[in-house]
Amino acid sequence: EAGVTQFPSHSVIEKGQTVTLRCDPISGHDNLYWYRRVMGKEIKFLLHFVKESKQDESGMPNNRFLAERTGGTYSTLKVQPAELEDSGVYFCASSRGTNTEAFFGQGTRLTVV
Amino acid sequence: AQSVTQPDIHITVSEGASLELRCNYSYGATPYLFWYVQSPGQGLQLLLKYFSGDTLVQGIKGFEAEFKRSQSSFNLRKPSVHWSDAAEYFCAFKAAGNKLTFGGGTRVLVKP
Repeated sequence: EAGVTQFPSHSVIEKGQTVTLRCDPISGHDNLYWYRRVMGKEIKFLLHFVKESKQDESGMPNNRFLAERTGGTYSTLKVQPAELEDSGVYFCASSRGTNTEAFFGQGTRLTVV
Repeated sequence: AQSVTQPDIHITVSEGASLELRCNYSYGATPYLFWYVQSPGQGLQLLLKYFSGDTLVQGIKGFEAEFKRSQSSFNLRKPSVHWSDAAEYFCAFKAAGNKLTFGGGTRVLVKP
């Protein structure tokens, strides 16, 4: 069984540009989460999908961030326009149920210069 | 406020020595508690979890953790570390809702 896959693994973009991160959850997992770790800080929750619906997006930092999960399969997280403080590692996780183990991807390291 | 504290940012331990990583949480009730590990170039991997019952939980890779309600702690231990245990370790809890709240992480260095 394939794990959670994130693409790209690394991305370096200039301030003001747009970047789209992708997450492919484990097949059959209805729950998909995005987290972020900025330099030297804790890993912070961004949002939670159940299938294609946003269950909780309380951690999204501002309206420059847009997450989608069309069809309830893979998810994208778009940052537009990117700012320097958006640099960090973005993790995606998925779980079968809401109280079952969440499996994490390797993360996407985003650097905004 | 709900939070997780990992007091040690870095720990250096000799191979074969024991390891204990500290974790304290702040929450009004008993949350679900987790320890994750991130090895270099890898994603976060679940080591163990505590939901209820026996307060000493066993995990993968020879790790165990003990929940102490009176101290709001969930410390991780391993009797004898291996060089492959060099990684960053994260304590986390899940309270209401489904999101995990993480501590700042403890980076473990293993000396030969």
